[in-house]
Parts: sequence; structure tokens; C-alpha cells
Amino acid sequence: AQKVTQAQTEISVVEKEDVTLDCVYETRDTTYYLFWYKQPPSGELVFLIRRNSFDEQNEISGRYSWNFQKSTSSFNFTITASQVVDSAVYFCALSEKDVGGANSKLTFGKGITLSVRP
Amino acid sequence: EAGVTQFPSHSVIEKGQTVTLRCDPISGHDNLYWYRRVMGKEIKFLLHFVKESKQDESGMPNNRFLAERTGGTYSTLKVQPAELEDSGVYFCASSQYRNSREAFFGQGTRLTVV
Repeated sequence: AQKVTQAQTEISVVEKEDVTLDCVYETRDTTYYLFWYKQPPSGELVFLIRRNSFDEQNEISGRYSWNFQKSTSSFNFTITASQVVDSAVYFCALSEKDVGGANSKLTFGKGITLSVRP
Repeated sequence: EAGVTQFPSHSVIEKGQTVTLRCDPISGHDNLYWYRRVMGKEIKFLLHFVKESKQDESGMPNNRFLAERTGGTYSTLKVQPAELEDSGVYFCASSQYRNSREAFFGQGTRLTVV
């Protein structure tokens, strides 16, 4: 069975601080996909990134970066120089198949509420 | 292009009543998913349609929940009769079948059963 653990429940930082959101996953599959979604106050889940299990390269997109380590089954997300607009709930998720195919349901963690104070 | 749209955004009903949630996926997306988040818990998978067919309904909690997707377009999720534990946010998502990088989510329907 698949499982995603986001041990942090709430994080509060002051603007411009760096913050790392942790994600640890469990799966028996050799091929799988990892995701991060952001849920702003408006409610919808906004896709941030997808990573497949064969690609362990870290990725950077502006102030966002992701560290994927298969050895520790972790897929952590770092926001550099946080801003108030980063305040949201962040979900890590796992899928055994790509979302375009069959059996492509997502297994989510409980989410981390990030508050960035001015 | 319109995103995934869910109706209503909020619903408050009494225990024992019936509620129907609706999801309009992105046009052309054959995959449609229903998820639910109970307060403070994980977002949990309920059901997956490919066009009008139920691909996976392993997450449906019990037979009080009925999902349909007639014609492979919009989908409805009916809860009848509603119980207190059904309260939560119900999310719908859609994606293209094959070669899809992400599933697009709607804003969710917040259901409160009192």
C-alpha cells in the first residue's frame, strides 16, 4: 500500500525566510510519481511539480526547489525568500501511474499549513 | 480555457437528507476523479472515471454514495442519506487520458451535515 507522510502540520515564518516542507513516502512500486500541490485560500489545488521515480535530479523553479532522494524516500520542497503570497496548505502526493493512465489515483499526505507573516 | 468547475461551493444539509454534487471537468479530459478531505485528514481518493466508465471505485466509503458520469462529460456525486461523518470537502479533478503531466483540480465543495 502507498502512504505519504507530512509530519509537519503547521509552519509559521517571517517573510524572506527560507522554509522547507518535508514529505516522506512509502511504496512497493519501482515506478511511481511524486507531486506537490498548493491550496491557496481560494480552495483549488494548484499543481506545482511532478517527478517520476527514475529522475532524481533536483529541480529549481524560481524561489521553489525540490529535493528528491530515493535512498530516504523523501521529496522535500523548499521555498526560498518566502513571501506572504506563499501562505497556503501544501500537499505532497504519490501515484503508482502517471495521471494520464489507468490506476492513476493520487495518495495524499495530510498537508502542511504554511503561514508567512509580513 | 475554463478549469474544473464544481457546484455548489458550499452545502449545509441535515442528517438524512440527500445532496448531489456536480463536477464539470476540463473539456476533452477523459479522466475524472473524485476525492474527499475530512477536516485535518488526508485528501482521500473516492472514484475514477475514464469517460463514462468507472475505472476504480475502491475509495467509495459505502453504498450511500453514488457517482455517475453520463455521456462522459460532467459527473455527479450523490450522497443519500447523508450522515454526519460525510462532512468534508469534496474535490473533483480531471486529466487527459495518456501523456498527461498533471491532474487539474476544482475548488471543491464544502459539505456540512448537521
